Amino acid sequence: EAGVAQSPRYKIIEKRQSVAFWCNPISGHATLYWYQQILGQGPKLLIQFQNNGVVDDSQLPKDRFSAERLKGVDSTLKIQPAKLEDSAVYLCASSPVTSGETQYFGPGTRLLVL
Amino acid sequence: GESVGLHLPTLSVQEGDNSIINCAYSNSASDYFIWYKQESGKGPQFIIDIRSNMDKRQGQRVTVLLNKTVKHLSLQIAATQPGDSAVYFCAELYPYGGSQGNLIFGKGTKLSVKP
Repeated sequence: EAGVAQSPRYKIIEKRQSVAFWCNPISGHATLYWYQQILGQGPKLLIQFQNNGVVDDSQLPKDRFSAERLKGVDSTLKIQPAKLEDSAVYLCASSPVTSGETQYFGPGTRLLVL
Repeated sequence: GESVGLHLPTLSVQEGDNSIINCAYSNSASDYFIWYKQESGKGPQFIIDIRSNMDKRQGQRVTVLLNKTVKHLSLQIAATQPGDSAVYFCAELYPYGGSQGNLIFGKGTKLSVKP
């Protein structure tokens, strides 16, 4: 069974530029999560989708971050404009359940903002 | 101990020894806990989980202990191998926002295994 796929794996941009990350969850997983992991820290939830609907985006900085999952499968996370403090690894996870358990993580996209 | 900024707590063990990694969790209402292993350049990988109605759970070479009184988790790895070298995170499932439960991760411990 293929795991969670993410692209790109690495991205370097200058501050105030825009960037987008893509995630393809495990087939059949209705729940999808985006996490931000700053170097030396644990992942922090940004947003949770159930199919194509947002379940929880309370931790998403909505002035610059946006995410969508239009067809309930793939998802994109966008940052516009980026700040230096957005440098982190952005992890996507998917799950066959809605409870928060059984999350499978992708390899992440490492973002560096200069 | 606490990590600050880039400085993760580090545990260094000899190959073949047992490792114990500790974690303090935040919320008394959390009822499910997971240990994840994260190798460099990879996403977190599930190791073992435990529900709040249990004190101990064993897997293959790993054991998780839960002490709800002091909100403490530990991960024990038997006969530690070089392949066990990674950062280990505990996570608690806590209902907040609009969801049934979201994972809150601890700061992590870096395990280094000396051959």
